[in-house]
Amino acid sequence: ILNVEQSPQSLHVQEGDSTNFTCSFPSSNFYALHWYRWETAKSPEALFVMTLNGDEKKKGRISATLNTKEGYSYLYIKGSQPEDSATYLCAFNYGGSQGNLIFGKGTKLSVKP
Amino acid sequence: DAGVTQSPTHLIKTRGQHVTLRCSPISGHKSVSWYQQVLGQGPQFIFQYYEKEERGRGNFPDRFSARQFPNYSSELNVNALLLGDSALYLCASRMAATGLYEQYFGPGTRLTVT
Repeated sequence: ILNVEQSPQSLHVQEGDSTNFTCSFPSSNFYALHWYRWETAKSPEALFVMTLNGDEKKKGRISATLNTKEGYSYLYIKGSQPEDSATYLCAFNYGGSQGNLIFGKGTKLSVKP
Repeated sequence: DAGVTQSPTHLIKTRGQHVTLRCSPISGHKSVSWYQQVLGQGPQFIFQYYEKEERGRGNFPDRFSARQFPNYSSELNVNALLLGDSALYLCASRMAATGLYEQYFGPGTRLTVT
C-alpha cells in the first residue's frame, strides 16, 4: 500500500519564526511530488511540482527540497506571517505518467501575530 | 480567466439516492481529476479523465462513476449513497494527464448524506 506521511500534524508559531515540515513518500517508482497550500474556505493552491532528486524550488518566502533516494521532501517557510496560516499538503505521483496523486494528511500551520 | 468551477456548492441527499456533481476545468486544460476529502484526511483520488478517456481510478466502489465531455467538463456520479459518502468532493484540472504539470483545484462540493 502506497503511503504518504506528513509531520508534524499541526504547528503553532509566532509571526517572524521560520518553520519547516516533512513529507515522506515511497522511494521506489518516483515520478513527481506536489506541494499544495490550502487555506480554510478556499481551494488548494499549487505551490511546487518537484521531479528531480536534489531539486530545490522557491516561491517568495516558501521553498522546498526533494530527496527521491530516501523518499522525503521538506517545505520551509522563512519569517512566517499570519497569512501563511493554512494546511500544507504534499502529494506523491504514482502510476508513472498518469498523474494520479496520493495525498498526505497535511500539516496545519497557525501563525500568531 | 476563470478558474476551475464546480456545482453545486453544497448538497444534501438521503441514503440510497443518486447524486451528480459537475466540474468545468480551466480553459485549455484537458485533464480532470476527482478527489474525495473527509475531515482529518488528505484528498483521496477517485478518477482521472483525459481527452474523454478514463486514465486512472482510485480504490472506490463501482457506485462511483464519472465521464468527461467534448468540452472537457466532467461529471461525477455516485449511486446508492451511503452515510460514509459524506465528504468534500474536489475537482482538479491540468493541461495534460501527466503529473509533471501543476494541478488546479476547484472550490469543491460539500455533500451531506443523511
